[in-house]
Formats: sequence, structure tokens, C-alpha cells
Amino acid sequence: AQSVAQPEDQVNVAEGNPLTVKCTYSVSGNPYLFWYVQYPNRGLQFLLKYITGDNLVKGSYGFEAEFNKSQTSFHLKKPSALVSDSALYFCAVRDSPYNTDKLIFGTGTRLQVFP
Amino acid sequence: DGGITQSPKYLFRKEGQNVTLSCEQNLNHDAMYWYRQDPGQGLRLIYYSQIVNDFQKGDIAEGYSVSREKKESFPLTVTSAQKNPTAFYLCASSIATVENSPLHFGNGTRLTVT
Repeated sequence: AQSVAQPEDQVNVAEGNPLTVKCTYSVSGNPYLFWYVQYPNRGLQFLLKYITGDNLVKGSYGFEAEFNKSQTSFHLKKPSALVSDSALYFCAVRDSPYNTDKLIFGTGTRLQVFP
Repeated sequence: DGGITQSPKYLFRKEGQNVTLSCEQNLNHDAMYWYRQDPGQGLRLIYYSQIVNDFQKGDIAEGYSVSREKKESFPLTVTSAQKNPTAFYLCASSIATVENSPLHFGNGTRLTVT
């Protein structure tokens, strides 16, 4: 069975500092990995995805994510955090390119960026 | 602008009443989904539909029903059989035939049942 874990409920970082939001996964086949962001009382917005190829994936709003197969991780990163990055971040995984019904979401990590 | 519209934003109901949440999209997406979000639990799939007049149960379909009579619309009914209906409900859509097409979400409906 596939699963995804976001080990931190909350991450706090000062504005201008680099940020990392962690995600680890477990799938039986090749992983297809996604990051979404949710602002208060809004739906989720797609940030980036890893399918195959380069282990460093660049996405929206200056975010990037590093795929590490040996550590089964897909951590979200940004070199310089902004206060406006404060939101809830979700990692998601599936083991097939088409079965969205099998897309498994993590429990979310709340990012708080302090001025 | 294309997008997904969920209405209403807030909904209050008495226990024992059925309630229907609206979801409309003008993205011309084939696939539509309903998720439930509870604090600390991430998103859980209730129902999904990949084509008009067809839909499938997700992980937590009990107490819910859907219809897909039009490509643009995928309403969700929360029935009185749903034991814990108070939650934030999110509708989403995607291009079913494109590999790894991301989900597009509406802004959600917060349902409170007392």
C-alpha cells in the first residue's frame, strides 16, 4: 500500500531564511509526487510535481523540491522565505500516472514565516 | 477566467437533514472529485467521476451520494446517514487523459451540522 508522511505539523522560519518542508513516501512501484499549498479557507493550489528525470524540480512561487530515491523523500524547499509563504502545505503520492483516485495526501505541514 | 466554483461557502444544517453541496467547473475537465478535509487528517477522497453519468466511490463514501449529469457539474449530497458530517469539503477537477495532470480545486464549502 502506498503512503506519505509529513513528519512536522508546523515549521517556523524567519523571513529571508531558507525553508524546508519534509515529505517521505512509500509506494510499490515508481512514485509520482506532488506538492500543493492551501491558504486559509481556500482550496489547494498545485505547486510542483516529480515524474521522472532531474531530481530537483522547480515549481511555482520560487519553490523547488528534491527527490531522493534512496531516502524515499521529496522535501519542499525555498532559498528565501517570504511572509506570504505562510500557509498549509500538502505532499501527495501515487504509483500510477493516471489513477488519481489513488492519490494519497499527507496530513499537511503548516509553514509560518515570521517577519 | 476558468475555474471551479463551490457554493455556498458556509452551510449550516440541523442533524438529520440531507444537504447538497454544489460544484461547477468551466475548465472542460473530464474528471471531478470530492474530498473531505478534517484538521490533522489531510484530504480523504469521497467520490470521483471520470466521465458523465459515471462515478466511483472513494475511501469514505458512506453517507454521501453524487450525480454527474453534466460535464460541468458534480454535486455532493451529505445524507443523514453520515455520522460526522461537519467538515470542510473540497471539489476538484483534472484532465483525465493526461498523465499526471494536477488537480484544480475550488475554494471549498464549510459544512456545520448541529
